[in-house]
Amino acid sequence: SYELTQPPSVSVSPGQTAGITCSGDALPKKYAYWYRQKSGQAPELVIYEDTRRPSEIPERFSGSSSGTMATLTINGAQVEDEADYYCFSADSSGDHRWVFGGGTKLAVL
Amino acid sequence: EVQLVESGGGLVQPGGSLRLSCVASGFTFSSYWMSWVRQAPGKGLEWVANIKRDGSEKYYEDSVKGRFTISRDNAKDSLFLQMNSLRVEDTAVYYCARDYFADYWGQGVLVTVSS
Repeated sequence: SYELTQPPSVSVSPGQTAGITCSGDALPKKYAYWYRQKSGQAPELVIYEDTRRPSEIPERFSGSSSGTMATLTINGAQVEDEADYYCFSADSSGDHRWVFGGGTKLAVL
Repeated sequence: EVQLVESGGGLVQPGGSLRLSCVASGFTFSSYWMSWVRQAPGKGLEWVANIKRDGSEKYYEDSVKGRFTISRDNAKDSLFLQMNSLRVEDTAVYYCARDYFADYWGQGVLVTVSS
């Protein structure tokens, strides 16, 4: 079955740039989506279609994709950005199945 | 304002059934695909199923195929998930989400499968 691979954890100091990667064989053909989930809350979409940002999401969040890897970048990470981040995409088999990455816990300290 | 409100969760024994509902407001429900996503306690997100705008196409994650059925009632702005033959491993918070890429989420409803 199709899998998206993320690092389990990333740690940065406040003000630094945080990068979270997501690798998957179908990413050259399928968009990646990114979600932020703060403790005890429902997930929230932060990036869609590889690079697009919902209007309510701060500009320090950006997305990119190249080959089999998509990346979520947080420029100038803030303490309030501490959360679990998940990538999401579809497989390319034609079965219309979607899958989440395992999630990355971002620590800003 | 987009709102999604789930209901119908609870405690059920293995092999039992449960029907989740999600009532949508703040957008034209019939214009969007809808999805269910779950999260087991302390675990990551797992896509469960999605359904096309008119209900004509439905897709499922392999472990729920044949046991769960997604449906919708566009006249009532409602999404459903009928869950049969429930297993302990189906224990999770179930989220209703708008569109196939989940741009808005409900607060979730807890389903516990235990004897």
